[in-house]
Amino acid sequence: DAGVIQSPRHEVTEMGQEVTLRCKPISGHNSLFWYRQTMMRGLELLIYFNNNVPIDDSGMPEDRFSAKMPNASFSTLKIQPSEPRDSAVYFCASSPLSGAYNEQFFGPGTRLTVL
Amino acid sequence: QQQVKQSPQSLIVQKGGISIINCAYENTAFDYFPWYQQFPGKGPALLIAIRPDVSEKKEGRFTISFNKSAKQFSLHIMDSQPGDSATYFCAANKGGTYKYIFGTGTRLKVLA
Repeated sequence: DAGVIQSPRHEVTEMGQEVTLRCKPISGHNSLFWYRQTMMRGLELLIYFNNNVPIDDSGMPEDRFSAKMPNASFSTLKIQPSEPRDSAVYFCASSPLSGAYNEQFFGPGTRLTVL
Repeated sequence: QQQVKQSPQSLIVQKGGISIINCAYENTAFDYFPWYQQFPGKGPALLIAIRPDVSEKKEGRFTISFNKSAKQFSLHIMDSQPGDSATYFCAANKGGTYKYIFGTGTRLKVLA
């Protein structure tokens, strides 16, 4: 298995532009997570999907952020308009629905820089 | 009460030495404590995990020590190697739910 796939790996954009980050979870995993990692705040959960349905989006910073999961093999995180404070590494992770204490498998991340 | 406090922020150890990273939590409902390892340019990956019914878990050179009464747990890396240089995150989870609370991370550098 190729693991969780994220694209792009690096994104540099200007303030005000729309940014779309993409994720392909591990096949067969029912849960998908988007995290943001910064030096100041560490690893923060943005949103959690289960069986393609958003369950918890309480971590989404504000209305500029939106996430979708149209099918079991694809999810997007969109920022519109982007701001310099959105600069961070964004991780997608997936997890199998198989009992308790499910391990989360992280993708390589997308490093976003907003100028 | 949802926080997991991790220390130190960074750590430098000589090759062959012992690396120790500590975490503390407040919420007694947490019952699963994993450690994640993250190499530069990569996502975090599960390294080792423990549940509070045991006080210690060992996997190779990596050991978790757990003190339930003090609400603390720590990662010990024995015979540290340069290849262990990475950022380590502790985390806590409640009842097998989806939400993990992560510590702020410890950047470990093992000198050759």
